[in-house]
Amino acid sequence: EVHLVQSGAAVREPGEFLQISCKGSGYSFSFFRVGWVRQVAGKGLEWMGFIYPDDATVTYSPSFQSHFSISADKSISTAYLQWRSLKASDTAVYYCARLRGDRFRFYLDVWGNGTTVTVFS
Amino acid sequence: QSVPTQPPSVSGAPGQRVTISCSGSTSDIGTLRHVNWYQQLPGRVPKLLIFDNDQRPSGVPVRFSASNSGTSASLAISGLQAEDEADYFCQSYDYSLRDYVFGTGTRVTVL
Repeated sequence: EVHLVQSGAAVREPGEFLQISCKGSGYSFSFFRVGWVRQVAGKGLEWMGFIYPDDATVTYSPSFQSHFSISADKSISTAYLQWRSLKASDTAVYYCARLRGDRFRFYLDVWGNGTTVTVFS
Repeated sequence: QSVPTQPPSVSGAPGQRVTISCSGSTSDIGTLRHVNWYQQLPGRVPKLLIFDNDQRPSGVPVRFSASNSGTSASLAISGLQAEDEADYFCQSYDYSLRDYVFGTGTRVTVL
């Protein structure tokens, strides 16, 4: 069975570094794109970007002022979302999800359990 | 350009049919004609409900159906059940934004 398991909740202060992870199992992790989606409490879903683990190609959403980065280590079937300097506005739940389909027609068929990130001073 | 617009809320009695609209534009649904739908139960992880406009993943009940026409798409729930109470999001690609976009989301309430 396909699973994406994310790292646990994180609490940080503004300006700190944070990396959260998403480990895939039950499928060929290298050959399926993994995306990240943000959800602020009580709000909708926002597409952040995605990575193709096999060659580490990343596509970021132009809608985000990208002070985050997406990476992956295919040897351990894990994707990452990283901030070098967190802001209070980064407080949200972050989901990873597997992408299926073709370019411009991607959909998210399996979702991780979500990671709650809280940033406050 | 903005993300596809959905009604904030829709409600219906058990057994009724409800529809959720997803109003896009010529830069997303109107051109690509490709929409996916997700269900998010209260406090839970989003789940793929419909992909490629009208395809149900294995395990999704047949009472969920979807279609699109012009610059809009719609999700229908026939025979509404209490367990269908959730938030529903459409998703497409916007050529002008060069970005994948989710709709604004609709909360379905079972009366």
